[in-house]
Amino acid sequence: AQRVTQPEKLLSVFKGAPVELKCNYSYSGSPELFWYVQYSRQRLQLLLRHISRESIKGFTADLNKGETSFHLKKPFAQEEDSAMYYCALSPYGGSQGNLIFGKGTKLSVKP
Amino acid sequence: NAGVTQTPKFRILKIGQSMTLQCTQDMNHNYMYWYRQDPGMGLKLIYYSVGAGITDKGEVPNGYNVSRSTTEDFPLRLELAAPSQTSVYFCASSRQGNYGYTFGSGTRLTVV
Repeated sequence: AQRVTQPEKLLSVFKGAPVELKCNYSYSGSPELFWYVQYSRQRLQLLLRHISRESIKGFTADLNKGETSFHLKKPFAQEEDSAMYYCALSPYGGSQGNLIFGKGTKLSVKP
Repeated sequence: NAGVTQTPKFRILKIGQSMTLQCTQDMNHNYMYWYRQDPGMGLKLIYYSVGAGITDKGEVPNGYNVSRSTTEDFPLRLELAAPSQTSVYFCASSRQGNYGYTFGSGTRLTVV
C-alpha cells in the first residue's frame, strides 16, 4: 500500500540548531515527493519538490530510495520556520497529480 | 492574483442537510482536487479532476459528489450531511500532474 509516514507529531528546537523532519514512504514505483508547509493562519504551500533538487528558505531534502526516505533538513533553524510540515507522495509517476500526505510534523523553533 | 478561492470559510450543518463547497481558480490549471483533513490526520483525497468534464474518485468519495463544467470551477456537493463529514476541506489545483499544488484557504465544516 502507498503510504507516507512522518514519525514525529511535534519537533521542538532552539534557534540556530539544525533541523531534520523525517519522512518515510511506502511505494513500489518511482515516487515523486514533495514537502508542503503551513504557517500560522496561512494556506498550505509548496516548499520543495524532490525532482527539482532545489533549496528553499534554506531547506533541502534528498530522496533516499534505499531507505525510502525524504527527510527535510535545515542547518540553522529560524523562529520563522515554526509551522506544520507535510510530506507528500505522488504515485503513478505524477500523471494524475494525486498526492498522498503524511500526518504532518509541527516544528516549533524557540528563541 | 486570487489563485484558488474557496467559499465558505466556515459552516455548520445539521444532519441530513446538503450544501455545496465552492472552489474557483484563475490560473487556468487543468488539475483540481478536493481533500479533507480530520484532526491529527493527513489530507485525504475525496475527488479530483484532470480537466473540464472529467472527474474521478479519490480515497474517500462516499457521501460527496463533484462536477467540472468549466476549467475554473470545481464544486463539492454534500447531499446528506453526517457527523463523520465534520472536517476541514481543502481545494487545490495544479498545472500538471507532478507540479506542486496551489491550495485554497480551506472550509471548516461542522455537522451537528
